[in-house]
Amino acid sequence: EDKVVQSPLSLVVHEGDTVTLNCSYEVTNFRSLLWYKQEKKAPTFLFMLTSSGIEKKSGRLSSILDKKELSSILNITATQTGDSAIYLCAGLNTNAGKSTFGDGTTLTVKP
Amino acid sequence: EAQVTQNPRYLITVTGKKLTVTCSQNMNHEYMSWYRQDPGLGLRQIYYSMNVEVTDKGDVPEGYKVSRKEKRNFPLILESPSPNQTSLYFCASSLRRGVGSGTDTQYFGPGTRLTVL
Repeated sequence: EDKVVQSPLSLVVHEGDTVTLNCSYEVTNFRSLLWYKQEKKAPTFLFMLTSSGIEKKSGRLSSILDKKELSSILNITATQTGDSAIYLCAGLNTNAGKSTFGDGTTLTVKP
Repeated sequence: EAQVTQNPRYLITVTGKKLTVTCSQNMNHEYMSWYRQDPGLGLRQIYYSMNVEVTDKGDVPEGYKVSRKEKRNFPLILESPSPNQTSLYFCASSLRRGVGSGTDTQYFGPGTRLTVL
């Protein structure tokens, strides 16, 4: 059975801090790993990672996959209160349509 | 506007009363999926569909049915809802073409909050 584990489950920081969110995966016939941000509504897409060592960046957010370690990290620099959300990681299986999500990391950024 | 729509957005019902939650996408996506989200449990996949007339179980299919008669629609059916199906439900779709095509991004509907009394 595929499994995705995120850590920490929750995190409280102050504006300006840098945070690193972790995602480890055990996915049969791994295809890709996706990161989403969820505020009080539907998840919105952040990054898709398929290759090890290639960093994806978007503004203050960046993410990288380590295929050897079966893990990924999501970095947020100079955090803002608007970054407060649940961050979800999902592992996708090649041979089927299965998508396995982690339980999410709840990030709270205090002013 | 490219989007995934779900109806209803909110529903309160009683145990045993059959209900259907509709999901529709206008992006010509082949892949569609249903998830439920409960506090502290992330998203759990209920059913997915790789294409018309092709559906398969996710991790938590018990008590649910789906159908995919048309590409754009993927309704979720609860034949006899029970209180443990009280949850937030999301429908999602993606192109999901070949490996490495970069088409795995799933676009989510706004969610349906279901309460079964």
